[in-house]
Amino acid sequence: DVKVTQSSRYLVKRTGEKVFLECVQDMDHENMFWYRQDPGLGLRLIYFSYDVKMKEKGDIPEGYSVSREKKERFSLILESASTNQTSMYLCASSLYDRGVNYGYTFGSGTRLTVV
Amino acid sequence: RKEVEQDPGPFNVPEGATVAFNCTYSNSASQSFFWYRQDCRKEPKLLMSVYSSGNEDGRFTAQLNRASQYISLLIRDSKLSDSATYLCVVNSNAGKSTFGDGTTLTVKP
Repeated sequence: DVKVTQSSRYLVKRTGEKVFLECVQDMDHENMFWYRQDPGLGLRLIYFSYDVKMKEKGDIPEGYSVSREKKERFSLILESASTNQTSMYLCASSLYDRGVNYGYTFGSGTRLTVV
Repeated sequence: RKEVEQDPGPFNVPEGATVAFNCTYSNSASQSFFWYRQDCRKEPKLLMSVYSSGNEDGRFTAQLNRASQYISLLIRDSKLSDSATYLCVVNSNAGKSTFGDGTTLTVKP
């Protein structure tokens, strides 16, 4: 089974801090994604990556950046954390092969609180 | 209008009931479709893919209607353990998905 591991389950940070959320997958998937999930707003795509060193903005990239230096690792960076970035952050990877999308595998999530 | 719309529910059904969820999507170029299940405070997990021909996995049946742009999920003989939020997911571009907000199901004894 694909495993997607997020480095922290719970995180509390102060306003203005730079925050790194790490995600590692072990099945050699090209595609990786960062979402945030908030009550009433569902899952919203922040950034995604189709390959090493490639990144694409999702629907809500403002205040975030990403890094993909190795295929298995996709990092989300909050440049200067703000209270409105308090949320559940979910990393996912997926296999897209010869026109077939095999769906996402999610990590267990990081619940970030910015105080 | 949202790209993917679901009835949020909640659906409250007794054990053994049959329940169906629908999901509509706005992009006619959408290519692949999925249902995910999410338990409270957990990550979403892939339940099943949805194909034009329809597909069945035990008590679960998923169907796609491209003409009317909706997908459905039918759960027969509901179990207490089916209580969760069910997310409809639509792919318009290779590998990138749009999630519905989810439908909450509670199965009661």
